[in-house]
Amino acid sequence: QQQVKQSPQSLIVQKGGISIINCAYENTAFDYFPWYQQFPGKGPALLIAIRPDVSEKKEGRFTISFNKSAKQFSLHIMDSQPGDSATYFCAASTTGGFKTIFGAGTRLFVKA
Amino acid sequence: DVKVTQSSRYLVKRTGEKVFLECVQDMDHENMFWYRQDPGLGLRLIYFSYDVKMKEKGDIPEGYSVSREKKERFSLILESASTNQTSMYLCASSAPGTVTDTQYFGPGTRLTVL
Repeated sequence: QQQVKQSPQSLIVQKGGISIINCAYENTAFDYFPWYQQFPGKGPALLIAIRPDVSEKKEGRFTISFNKSAKQFSLHIMDSQPGDSATYFCAASTTGGFKTIFGAGTRLFVKA
Repeated sequence: DVKVTQSSRYLVKRTGEKVFLECVQDMDHENMFWYRQDPGLGLRLIYFSYDVKMKEKGDIPEGYSVSREKKERFSLILESASTNQTSMYLCASSAPGTVTDTQYFGPGTRLTVL
């Protein structure tokens, strides 16, 4: 119930292409779904986040799509760039709770 | 900008040694967290603290303890290091009650236990 399942484990995309990373959760009490981006040698940093009252959130080239009934959410990176090469973690938490549950991570490599 | 610093980027210790990992945040955040990061397993919560001297076990607390004597500082202690504790350790902090509930991470400490 506490798990967040993330796929794929790794992803190779051509420059200019669309990168898609998927996550699924079980606990319907989760109400905050952030994505974190981690570059080698750095800690994860918040990239974009969504709450379940909306189905989509867009910030620049990054879009979260959220399907509440299916308990799934995904990150789309449009016009992927080599600088987007990083590890991406989806996560879920409950407002007022202390714990954030992270997915296993996706290593994205964008070929120039 | 929130800054979370960790005492060491790389650490090599021997089996059985006592290991201290320290984390300091400069944003007066109430919540602080210790995670370990392993390939294919993501980030797993070891311990967290929501106030000075308060601590709660996370998902994998065995073999670890923590200390929070000051609001800005959260220490992770490996009482007797073992090879299976070789990992990347990440500290994070957050402010409770905020809309974004964002966690701010330090750069990590890569610990190798020989």
